[in-house]
Parts: sequence; structure tokens; C-alpha cells
Amino acid sequence: KNEVEQSPQNLTAQEGEFITINCSYSVGISALHWLQQHPGGGIVSLFMLSSGKKKHGRLIATINIQEKHSSLHITASHPRDSAVYICAALPLSGGGADGLTFGKGTHLIIQP
Amino acid sequence: DTGVSQNPRHKITKRGQNVTFRCDPISEHNRLYWYRQTLGQGPEFLTYFQNEAQLEKSRLLSDRFSAERPKGSFSTLEIQRTEQGDSAMYLCASSFTGFGNTIYFGEGSWLTVV
Repeated sequence: KNEVEQSPQNLTAQEGEFITINCSYSVGISALHWLQQHPGGGIVSLFMLSSGKKKHGRLIATINIQEKHSSLHITASHPRDSAVYICAALPLSGGGADGLTFGKGTHLIIQP
Repeated sequence: DTGVSQNPRHKITKRGQNVTFRCDPISEHNRLYWYRQTLGQGPEFLTYFQNEAQLEKSRLLSDRFSAERPKGSFSTLEIQRTEQGDSAMYLCASSFTGFGNTIYFGEGSWLTVV
């Protein structure tokens, strides 16, 4: 069982809809990353958070350390938001390469 | 700075051949990471360097895989005697040392072993 689980795996929505992607993890963490991966493969780091909430433009990320859960929200979604969104957890135990454990990703398609 | 660059972007090779990928990290980033990603899965850690020192290797990195970062700048990942199961995207990333520093990923190098 993966230590980081994302849901949904696939999500198709209409332009303008409010999008929520969820991430649950089973180990104690010191931080969690949200990453965006486009079809060509390039990955962009969207957020790194260890508590509370962060906002950047139309993107909002929240984390609840006690519940071991994080969400990524997209407001006023647009077709250019179509991508794979990956959650990656940094366990308290550390480990290699900052010990990042990745979820399998959520494939988001926003239709015009 | 143009970010983390990887080449080649795509490589098709016959089973049994050797392949080498190169990663040029963001300059002055002292950490460099290699990940592997197969279709439908998230990236998996392979190895990382702090400057020129390779500090950790995943059990995924079999003896056929070797990575180097000779001068603490660019890195190479070589796969010897490729197998079909090696087909994947190989991602490189770099960052400064220390908690809280953003990790920057390259575009990835796609490997297809036929």
C-alpha cells in the first residue's frame, strides 16, 4: 500500500468549476508538496506546506497534520489547468533525497 | 538560469544496450536527485547527490544503474544492459540543501527499451 494516496485518480470538469484534489498519508510528515506535471513530463512545484493554508493565484492548498490530509483546490478552473497533480510527502523519519514519497497523481482535464 | 535541463529527452534503445542520461541542475544547487516514473505512477526515488558525493541509493537502483556527479555540477545516469522493464521516464531535480527549499524538476528523459 502506498504511503501517500490521492483521490480522485481522474477528474474531468467544465471550465469555471471549483476543483478539489485530496491527498492522505499514513506516516508522520514534516511537510507536503503539491506538484503539477504537464503531458511532456516537466514537473513544477506548486506548494510546500507544513501547516495551515497557502494560496497562489487561483490555487489553494490546505493541510491538516492531525488528520494526515491535504487538499489542493483550483478556483475558476481553466483548460490550461489540465495536468497531473502529484502530492509528495516528506516523512518525519527523513531518508534519501529529503525522503519524498509520491502519490500516483490525479489526472485533471478541464473542458472548455 | 534556464532551470534543470535533461538530455536526451527521448531515447529508444534495443534491449541489452547501454544508455546514458545527463542532467544539468540549476547552477549553485548543491543537491541533485534522480527519480524514475512509469506510466500512471508517481515518481520513485533512485539516488541523490550532495555536491559530488552520492549520499543515498534506492534499492530500485540495481547494479546495472550507475550515477555520477564528478564535479558537483552536472550528473549522468547510466543504465547498462537495458531491459524492457527499464522503460520509464527518468527525472532529475535539484535544490539547495536544507528543509524548506523548493525542489526544481527537469523535463525528464523518456526511455523506451525495445
